[in-house]
Amino acid sequence: RKEVEQDPGPFNVPEGATVAFNCTYSNSASQSFFWYRQDCRKEPKLLMSVYSSGNEDGRFTAQLNRASQYISLLIRDSKLSDSATYLCVVNAGGSQGNLIFGKGTKLSVKP
Amino acid sequence: EAQVTQNPRYLITVTGKKLTVTCSQNMNHEYMSWYRQDPGLGLRQIYYSMNVEVTDKGDVPEGYKVSRKEKRNFPLILESPSPNQTSLYFCASSPTGVFLSYEQYFGPGTRLTVT
Repeated sequence: RKEVEQDPGPFNVPEGATVAFNCTYSNSASQSFFWYRQDCRKEPKLLMSVYSSGNEDGRFTAQLNRASQYISLLIRDSKLSDSATYLCVVNAGGSQGNLIFGKGTKLSVKP
Repeated sequence: EAQVTQNPRYLITVTGKKLTVTCSQNMNHEYMSWYRQDPGLGLRQIYYSMNVEVTDKGDVPEGYKVSRKEKRNFPLILESPSPNQTSLYFCASSPTGVFLSYEQYFGPGTRLTVT
């Protein structure tokens, strides 16, 4: 069965906090990994692609551990505008076009 | 402006009445996909298309049809809608699906209610 599992959340954090989201995937043949952000009732938007070497974009850092089939997203110095649902996305192994979304983790950043 | 458009944005219909939700992109993208989003279940892929005339099932294709006769359009067809197809539907496109490391651009969503 193809699955992508995320922390259930919600995460309620103060401004300036560091928060980490975790995601595990079940198919070892998966090759493409992403974090998307979705604001309430809006369409998802790409936050970061996740590469084997890990990657950083400003306050956001994504890591991939293929051996453990684990992806993480770290947000440093949280802003109020970071409040959203974060979706882990993985392609189904053997099929680049078949994408599996996690159920998402809701983040609420408070003043 | 580069975008993915969906129509209609909101639709209320009755069981069994065939409907089509259109999706169009103006970015010359090869890859297009349909998703449904339900509370507690997240986004689930219905169908996807790697290019013109190439379509494949996602995880929840039952009760849906698609076609990709031209690059820009990817309509979603519900031949006989049922209440369990009440959902929020998103269309998305990406430059290529051959190595899907590119961003998917999502349409604004279509909220469908089947009574």
